[in-house]
Amino acid sequence: GENVEQHPSTLSVQEGDSAVIKCTYSDSASNYFPWYKQELGKRPQLIIDIRSNVGEKKDQRIAVTLNKTAKHFSLHITETQPEDSAVYFCAAIWSQGNLIFGKGTKLSVKP
Amino acid sequence: ETGVTQSPTHLIKTRGQQVTLRCSSQSGHNTVSWYQQALGQGPQFIFQYYREEENGRGNFPPRFSGLQFPNYSSELNVNALELDDSALYLCASSAGLVLYGYTFGSGTRLTVV
Repeated sequence: GENVEQHPSTLSVQEGDSAVIKCTYSDSASNYFPWYKQELGKRPQLIIDIRSNVGEKKDQRIAVTLNKTAKHFSLHITETQPEDSAVYFCAAIWSQGNLIFGKGTKLSVKP
Repeated sequence: ETGVTQSPTHLIKTRGQQVTLRCSSQSGHNTVSWYQQALGQGPQFIFQYYREEENGRGNFPPRFSGLQFPNYSSELNVNALELDDSALYLCASSAGLVLYGYTFGSGTRLTVV
């Protein structure tokens, strides 16, 4: 079935460093790839998304890159801050029309 | 605030019981999707309703059922609750079947004991 693989499952960085989370997807028809941030006890919140007609999108300290040929996409967070600590989920839209999520990456930013 | 509201926020049920969760979609949105998020996992698609009809279903048994009303609000019903049904249940609404900018409600945390 359709699948989204996400790596790493945990990531610890020093404040100010960069963090990169990578995902691969199996449905070549997928054309939309959102990223969600989930803080403890809260709902997932959309932080950035990218459509298949672009290779990169940036919003302040956050950027997402997409390689459709290789079927992978990545989240890049620069100048990390303690408030970036959370679980991050990637997702891909499936041909049925729903989102398939990765298993999540727990990011810890140490002051 | 996303405009998607869910109730109740927390619920404790006994195994074997039935539960109904509710979702009010954002104004102007006619599609509601439901997801189950077990502890430590990503959200998993349960089903989607578009204009009061089920429009796609994930790998969940028939004891998970739903409804969408003329005002596009929705209910998720789970019969014969099992311990593994304990999870955060999220709904999201969208205008039509386009999922761009998909945002979730705050969720209902269901605990089955």
